[in-house]
Amino acid sequence: EIVLTQSPGTLSLSPGERASLSCRASQAVTSTYLAWYQQKPGQAPRLLIYGASIRATGIPDRFSGSGSGTDFTLTISRLEPEDFAVYYCQQYGTSPPWTFGPGTRVDI
Amino acid sequence: QVQLVESGGGVVQPGRSLRLSCVASGFTFSRFPLHWVRQAPGKGLEWVAVMSFDGSDKYYADSVKGRFTISRDTSKNTLYLEMNSLRTEDTAVYYCAKPFVPSVPFYDYWGQGTLVTVSS
Repeated sequence: EIVLTQSPGTLSLSPGERASLSCRASQAVTSTYLAWYQQKPGQAPRLLIYGASIRATGIPDRFSGSGSGTDFTLTISRLEPEDFAVYYCQQYGTSPPWTFGPGTRVDI
Repeated sequence: QVQLVESGGGVVQPGRSLRLSCVASGFTFSRFPLHWVRQAPGKGLEWVAVMSFDGSDKYYADSVKGRFTISRDTSKNTLYLEMNSLRTEDTAVYYCAKPFVPSVPFYDYWGQGTLVTVSS
């Protein structure tokens, strides 16, 4: 099973600032099969990025993903008020179990 | 538009059973495997189970293997999760989730979730 570690646990920033969220895997993730989700309180997760760097439909271009192997990053170039949320990475390699990281909370 | 609507959650005593349902619409149900993902209160996401589009394959997380059974009824566009021998650690919001493409398990649509509370 691939274990994902996200850092930091909490990121305290202001609107307009840049956010960099890290996701590290215990072993190489197959073919950059890494996704990022955003979750707000009381809501289901929302897909942001898949294939490590491909934005999902309707996702603003201030969100970008990068990385390969075991190290991945989600960057939010300029935080908007609606971006304050919890962010999860997920690896979806060829075999189950497909695992999620513990999340990074982006706080004002 | 794609919709996933879960139901069946509630409060149940340890050791008892519960069946969750997820009614799907807005896409070709018979072409997609569907997944259950859960989230304990204040915690992160945990993949639980998946059933292939034709029902031929089922996979489970180790934490639920032997206790939970996933099934689907294509005539009703419904996914089920039969949960037996429930434990307090099974307390969570249970989501059904649709993969973006059938063969690749990341999720573009999620239901609103149904809360299962296991408590005496």
